[in-house]
Amino acid sequence: IAGITQAPTSQILAAGRRMTLRCTQDMRHNAMYWYRQDLGLGLRLIHYSNTAGTTGKGEVPDGYSVSRANTDDFPLTLASAVPSQTSVYFCASSVLAGDVNEQFFGPGTRLTVL
Amino acid sequence: GQNIDQPTEMTATEGAIVQINCTYQTSGFNGLFWYQQHAGEAPTFLSYNVLDGLEEKGRFSSFLSRSKGYSYLLLKELQMKDSASYLCADMDSNYQLIWGAGTKLIIKP
Repeated sequence: IAGITQAPTSQILAAGRRMTLRCTQDMRHNAMYWYRQDLGLGLRLIHYSNTAGTTGKGEVPDGYSVSRANTDDFPLTLASAVPSQTSVYFCASSVLAGDVNEQFFGPGTRLTVL
Repeated sequence: GQNIDQPTEMTATEGAIVQINCTYQTSGFNGLFWYQQHAGEAPTFLSYNVLDGLEEKGRFSSFLSRSKGYSYLLLKELQMKDSASYLCADMDSNYQLIWGAGTKLIIKP
């Protein structure tokens, strides 16, 4: 693989179900991010990880959890999905060195919670 | 607090020039990014400004004025493929990106 991948591409989920969105990068970037993008709103940060073994909360963390066991993988889990979590989810990564923090994005996961 | 403002939608003609403005209010400013996002796709990096002035990159240029909390993206010789949303984001003191809602640019022949 080259770059950053996400799975699944799309998913329809019943409310109350648990769901894990997968994200993998092969660029050896130390920082990774999860965003959600909703119509009319900007990208909103859910959780981030500046390096393997550490995670932090973003702007909208409630209802989501993440882990960063290694450099490459950064899964996002919805413990009990609710309809308001219907959105497009983007994973991103960056080098996070010096002053520049150019983020590279995965193709996104379109999630619908019914 | 942090707030990013940019127009919701703009329309321009193929071959023309368009300027997309962005204003920001961020504590601990660390740079201003522009990304392009085609419908149904992921955002892709266009430019980064941390010092005042104009950065030119082919048909696209980006300008920053830190004292005014203002940036713009200038697109020249517009092509139909430039139809997309353009996202402005500033980097805060924790090196996280704060995103505007994006400007949808419609190019007409």
